[in-house]
Amino acid sequence: DAGVIQSPRHEVTEMGQEVTLRCKPISGHNSLFWYRQTMMRGLELLIYFNNNVPIDDSGMPEDRFSAKMPNASFSTLKIQPSEPRDSAVYFCASSFLPSGRVEDEQYFGPGTRLTVT
Amino acid sequence: RKEVEQDPGPFNVPEGATVAFNCTYSNSASQSFFWYRQDCRKEPKLLMSVYSSGNEDGRFTAQLNRASQYISLLIRDSKLSDSATYLCAVNMGKKSSGDKLTFGTGTRLAVRP
Repeated sequence: DAGVIQSPRHEVTEMGQEVTLRCKPISGHNSLFWYRQTMMRGLELLIYFNNNVPIDDSGMPEDRFSAKMPNASFSTLKIQPSEPRDSAVYFCASSFLPSGRVEDEQYFGPGTRLTVT
Repeated sequence: RKEVEQDPGPFNVPEGATVAFNCTYSNSASQSFFWYRQDCRKEPKLLMSVYSSGNEDGRFTAQLNRASQYISLLIRDSKLSDSATYLCAVNMGKKSSGDKLTFGTGTRLAVRP
């Protein structure tokens, strides 16, 4: 079975440009998570969706970041305008969370390595 | 104080050694605990969940100490292939944090021949 799919795998862009990261979760999973990882701050949750609805976006750094999940098989994370401090690896993860119970495993995609110059 | 804290290491150990990592968490209401493994330039992958009674999977043993608010990971007879970064993850409790996990910054392990 295909795991979580992310694209692009690498992105190099100039400051001020718009960046769109894409994620396809594992089929049948109902929760999707966007993380950012840097050496300094580690792995930080930006936002997560349950059944395509954003549940918690408290980790989104600022208004330049936005995320959507138009259907169960696709999500985007957009940065507009991008800044050098946004350089990081962005991971998407998915899991199946039965109602009323915290499920165990989140399956991570391979990540998008973003460099903003 | 960070919600989840780990010693960043690196831990440099010879093959065959036993090594232990700890991870402390700040919220006493935390409910679920996990260890993830992350290889260099790869995504994190679940290594094992941590249960109240402690659990073992081959050479790996995870334990939870609620009174002192930490979880531990013990690796026995370490192999070269164990070299990676080990991330602990905590769910703070559905009421306060829903279904999300808070990760530590990871402990790097390097096993040498």
